[in-house]
Amino acid sequence: GAVVSQHPSRVICKSGTSVKIECRSLDFQATTMFWYRQFPKKSLMLMATSNEGSKATYEQGVEKDKFLINHASLTLSTLTVTSAHPEDSSFYICSARDRIQRKETQYFGPGTRLLVL
Amino acid sequence: AQSVTQLGSHVSVSEGALVLLRCNYSSSVPPYLFWYVQYPNQGLQLLLKYTSAATLVKGINGFEAEFKKSETSFHLTKPSAHMSDAAEYFCAVSEFTNRDDKIIFGKGTRLHILP
Repeated sequence: GAVVSQHPSRVICKSGTSVKIECRSLDFQATTMFWYRQFPKKSLMLMATSNEGSKATYEQGVEKDKFLINHASLTLSTLTVTSAHPEDSSFYICSARDRIQRKETQYFGPGTRLLVL
Repeated sequence: AQSVTQLGSHVSVSEGALVLLRCNYSSSVPPYLFWYVQYPNQGLQLLLKYTSAATLVKGINGFEAEFKKSETSFHLTKPSAHMSDAAEYFCAVSEFTNRDDKIIFGKGTRLHILP
């Protein structure tokens, strides 16, 4: 089946630094990728929809200047948490939609655990 | 806007017993419905999905779900629980219209399997 990878799998950083998380579709082209945030023992909250070659669409309440999303190619989207603070600590999951498959087919990455000290 | 409600944040069943995880949805158009499973510190794995074909959907690992429009439900079942089924389960909905193609997740149900 289709594989989506995320890098790094976990990261610890100091408050005030920026962290970049990569999401890659390994064996398919993804025109659309989604970024989710999951708080401990909570559901997934959609942060933004990332479309290749265009600006990301952010959900209400998500700061676009805080969470920078770039989708420069059909296989890579990045999420940069700028000036991270402890409240940004969370589990970030991406998903990717295969360009040639049905719309409802999304493949999820394994997630990135971010801890901001 | 679409939404899902999962009844019970925690469900415990004995090994070998029936698993029933409840999900009700709200949607203004015929929905697409999903069940995902998440093991600790991992991403989501699709168990099954309903896309307006057969109302009884069979998924992986022996799970199945039945779409009931009259009850706006999409409950997940498995006849006999296994220890390896212990995980977090998410019900999700999407309408996939031209304006909106997001998948919205429920709050999740943690399934505990008792020996």
